Amino acid sequence: QSALTQPASVSGSPGQSITISCTGTSSDVGVYNFVSWYQQHPGKAPKLMIFDVSNRPSGVSDRFSGSKSANTASLTISGLQAEDEADYYCSSYTTSSTVVFGGGTKVTVL
Amino acid sequence: QVQLVESGGGVVQPGRSLRLACAASGFSFSSYGMHWVRQAPGKGLEWLAVIWYDVSSKYYADSVKGRFTISRDNSKNTLYLQMSSLRAEDTAVYYCARDRRRDQASALWHWGQGTLVTVSS
Repeated sequence: QSALTQPASVSGSPGQSITISCTGTSSDVGVYNFVSWYQQHPGKAPKLMIFDVSNRPSGVSDRFSGSKSANTASLTISGLQAEDEADYYCSSYTTSSTVVFGGGTKVTVL
Repeated sequence: QVQLVESGGGVVQPGRSLRLACAASGFSFSSYGMHWVRQAPGKGLEWLAVIWYDVSSKYYADSVKGRFTISRDNSKNTLYLQMSSLRAEDTAVYYCARDRRRDQASALWHWGQGTLVTVSS
């Protein structure tokens, strides 16, 4: 149950687009479309932003989008805004019927 | 609206046990899978366990297998996490979360606010 691999940090200027990668294996990301992304602001509980690779819950801005290719999933934030500054985590269902998270990525808006 | 309220956290000595509870409201509790996730101070999220809607299956992270037990009481709309042989490295905020599905870990759709467990002598 090794954690999914995410970059520790990503930054961008307001209005720009950034992409966070999430690399797993053929036992998790590569075999299921149950990849999710969560946003967490300091001191707050995580919030679901993307589920099933590319779907947004109602109320989540369409500036957030997800995709997947082979063992790597990605989260793209378009039109970066100050409020997007937070930690982001990916997760995936696994062939052991468990869940694995990525190590998290700190997004900084310059 | 959906509410998940964790309780039972606090300071506990190493080697002792503690039971966390998560009271659910605003949805049909017995229709969804439920998870426990923790976050050590300054660290990332760590998934711990899931229990399916009908208690038919439970799965655990290797890091807590054999020490932690997830359970639920659908008549009380409550999820539990029994933790034993606690260690300093179990110090964390513990979150309960509701899955999008009932019997597969699709996505953690709703989260509680968490309860802090501190393991210290």
